[in-house]
Amino acid sequence: EPEVTQTPSHQVTQMGQEVILRCVPISNHLYFYWYRQILGQKVEFLVSFYNNEISEKSEIFDDQFSVERPDGSNFTLKIRSTKLEDSAMYFCASSTLAGVVETQYFGPGTRLLVL
Amino acid sequence: KQEVTQIPAALSVPEGENLVLNCSFTDSAIYNLQWFRQDPGKGLTSLLLIQSSQREQTSGRLNASLDKSSGRSTLYIAASQPGDSATYLCAVDSNAGNMLTFGGGTRLMVKP
Repeated sequence: EPEVTQTPSHQVTQMGQEVILRCVPISNHLYFYWYRQILGQKVEFLVSFYNNEISEKSEIFDDQFSVERPDGSNFTLKIRSTKLEDSAMYFCASSTLAGVVETQYFGPGTRLLVL
Repeated sequence: KQEVTQIPAALSVPEGENLVLNCSFTDSAIYNLQWFRQDPGKGLTSLLLIQSSQREQTSGRLNASLDKSSGRSTLYIAASQPGDSATYLCAVDSNAGNMLTFGGGTRLMVKP
């Protein structure tokens, strides 16, 4: 069964460093998403992406964050200058349609630790 | 702003019990509501999606209901098994598929 994959599974970085989290969505999906989950807290929406553009973004998704679909298969989240509070599990998701009748399929996550 | 709340936060039951997990949301203008399962350190697995026009959905031992006007959903698990132990998350789509708003989850432990 097709699945969303994410790399790396774990990343440790120093505060102020740039990190790129990578995702390979399911191949025929058109909508892509990033969410994060700080330890012990709710899963929070960051950004949705369709047709090479951001469709929606939350207030968390400030200028430090960017997303890109550099080729036909990868979808990346870049954090330009990491802060301690960026430590979280980051989930990528994808869906075929806008998700009204179709669920979003989530990847296993990347656990980011900022020291 | 949509807020989603789940009660209880944690639940421990003996194997074989039927149980109900609750989810409430503040804005009834939703497109759908979804229930996910999250195992420790893992991603989210979709269990059921109920469109706003539907009242319930069933999959195996799981049944989810939706009362949009009162802002509530329940997930019913029949004949619980130790393998059902996980965190169950409720999420609502208030933005035509552009984003999901999640509840805090119910951590379920089913004891053999």
